[in-house]
Amino acid sequence: QVQLVQSGAEVKKPGSAVKVSCKASEDTFSRLALSWVREAPGHGLEWMGGIIPILGAVNHAPKFQGRVTITADKSTSTVYMELSSLRSEDTARYYCASSIVGTTSLDQWGQGTLVTVSS
Amino acid sequence: DFVMTQSPLSLPVTPGEPASISCRSSQSLLHRNGNNYLDWYLQKPGQSPQLLISMGSNRASGVPDRFSGSGSGTDFTLEISRVEAEDVGIYYCMQARQPPWTFGQGTKVEIK
Repeated sequence: QVQLVQSGAEVKKPGSAVKVSCKASEDTFSRLALSWVREAPGHGLEWMGGIIPILGAVNHAPKFQGRVTITADKSTSTVYMELSSLRSEDTARYYCASSIVGTTSLDQWGQGTLVTVSS
Repeated sequence: DFVMTQSPLSLPVTPGEPASISCRSSQSLLHRNGNNYLDWYLQKPGQSPQLLISMGSNRASGVPDRFSGSGSGTDFTLEISRVEAEDVGIYYCMQARQPPWTFGQGTKVEIK
């Protein structure tokens, strides 16, 4: 079973950037597509984008275009989500979640990373 | 973007009784391959979301059979045949028919 372990909580200033990591079980990484989903207070769940590491294919939600960068390091089975030009509304818990390549259902989730944007 | 609308947004339930949540999409989620790209997730208090139902009606591994999903095209339903106390949380539908994938607003299920 896939396990996803995310990096720890972050506190950032407005205008700065944050980079969150998500490490997957090494024996499954080549079969995975990984998405980033955030949960802002009072806003429910929001899909930010995803990556298929074995293909190098990346997709971003238009809302985050230009601010979000999703990358993968196949050597360490880790995906990253970097969000720039942070504002207070980006305060949220950020989750990585996986599906098997060729499917879309997010059947495994990381524990979440709390990002707080505050001056 | 596909807009997902859930109802109700709040659902008080009695243990042992059935419960039902509706999810409507602004566009059809039925692909020409015959699959409906609609999933249901449950976020229990203090936990990460978990997949309950994929492709409209397929229970995920380990999900109790009291949960069932139905529907096609634009209208979908999640049913719990007999609610248990551990079922409390926020239920979300999500479409993956076309990026950006989008979630419904969430339905908060709580025990009466």
